[in-house]
Amino acid sequence: QSVLTQPPSVSGAPGQTVTVSCTGSSSNIGAGHGVQWYQQLPGTAPRLLIHTNTYRPSGVPDRFSGSKSGTSASLAITGLQPEDEADYYCQSYDTTLSGAAVVFGGGTKLTVL
Amino acid sequence: QVQLVQSGAEVKKPGASVKISCKTSGYSFTDYYIHWVRQAPGLGLEWVGWINPHGGGTNYAQKFQGWVTMTRDTSISTAYMEFGGPSSDDTAVYYCARCHYCSGYPLCCDYWGQGALVTVSS
Repeated sequence: QSVLTQPPSVSGAPGQTVTVSCTGSSSNIGAGHGVQWYQQLPGTAPRLLIHTNTYRPSGVPDRFSGSKSGTSASLAITGLQPEDEADYYCQSYDTTLSGAAVVFGGGTKLTVL
Repeated sequence: QVQLVQSGAEVKKPGASVKISCKTSGYSFTDYYIHWVRQAPGLGLEWVGWINPHGGGTNYAQKFQGWVTMTRDTSISTAYMEFGGPSSDDTAVYYCARCHYCSGYPLCCDYWGQGALVTVSS
């Protein structure tokens, strides 16, 4: 059971827009900790797509965008392309009385139809 | 260019210790944290912990405290993760990643190693 909750799968046709949600709580996203998004293509290491809720590292297409509201965050992918088919993970920081830790969502598999 | 090159795949019997290395190049080793993240077959990413190469301070996920040790050798820009007494549940690909500060903590992992498959089997 992941601390951050993501839908197991989403899908869309080429050219469409899909969104991936990431729901946390008052000890992570709701506490003001930023959200990062990673893309993992099959058989490869993760790649940083979005950091600090909305910022794209250089080299990441502007088709990818992030947002955050309350205890949740979202990743939107516009103009879907076949090469976007991958697993997507959100990541944040979780602080409780028992300690602090980096947390990941369970991952969302994007299928391009 | 920035590179993180991990040691090769390992097959271990339950209870035998495992030590994985992550050799870095192309940047100042002590300027970035090194995180370790694992991924069991067919499952998602799980954070194991981090080490600050500048000083050696560590932070482990609660479930790994007591049996994972992260160290570094600044003279050869290499980080290590060692864990003892693994079980078959610890069979996974273990990644190291270079991470810098964003959102107030060292969470932005912009370069990753290729992963090291550790198989625990009797």
